[in-house]
Amino acid sequence: GAVVSQHPSRVICKSGTSVKIECRSLDFQATTMFWYRQFPKKSLMLMATSNEGSKATYEQGVEKDKFLINHASLTLSTLTVTSAHPEDSSFYICSARDSLVDTIYFGEGSWLTVV
Amino acid sequence: RKEVEQDPGPFNVPEGATVAFNCTYSNSASQSFFWYRQDCRKEPKLLMSVYSSGNEDGRFTAQLNRASQYISLLIRDSKLSDSATYLCVVNRGGGNKLTFGTGTQLKVEL
Repeated sequence: GAVVSQHPSRVICKSGTSVKIECRSLDFQATTMFWYRQFPKKSLMLMATSNEGSKATYEQGVEKDKFLINHASLTLSTLTVTSAHPEDSSFYICSARDSLVDTIYFGEGSWLTVV
Repeated sequence: RKEVEQDPGPFNVPEGATVAFNCTYSNSASQSFFWYRQDCRKEPKLLMSVYSSGNEDGRFTAQLNRASQYISLLIRDSKLSDSATYLCVVNRGGGNKLTFGTGTQLKVEL
């Protein structure tokens, strides 16, 4: 079964609205989670590193005010796409590291379509 | 230059064939290396880690050449179920930030 769960798996929203995606580690605590984005036929691109109890670290070129990340607990990180536009339509994936087994697990991903 | 480069393919091979994928990385300080498999519209899943001495897992063999900054994956006796995109992944070092190649698409045919 899934070790890292993402929700929703698919979401369609109107342009200008905000969408929240949740990433949960199910059987372990994750002080650090990662958010990626993948456009069709492109590689996964790291957007930001989510740190429990502190601010996220964003990769160059990723707007922190547009992609809000909250990591309020050791098992949950959320990514909110604010004022979504059609060009934000993509596959968003989170990952989390289980330090006890030194393994990174990926969530099932969330397909966002902005119309 | 991309941090991780792969031939996008597709590689179309008959069932039972042996196929090899290559990957190069640009950051000589990279510390750990992986091959992931990604099925269409799904999340990537770890296939195997790549060790300096080379390692094998059933029909899959991974090799690392640090001097040439080159990683390979060999699949023997290809199965239809091996059809997927294979992602070369590099950990830049510390913090578990993974850098993904664009992937190599494999199609195994009857």
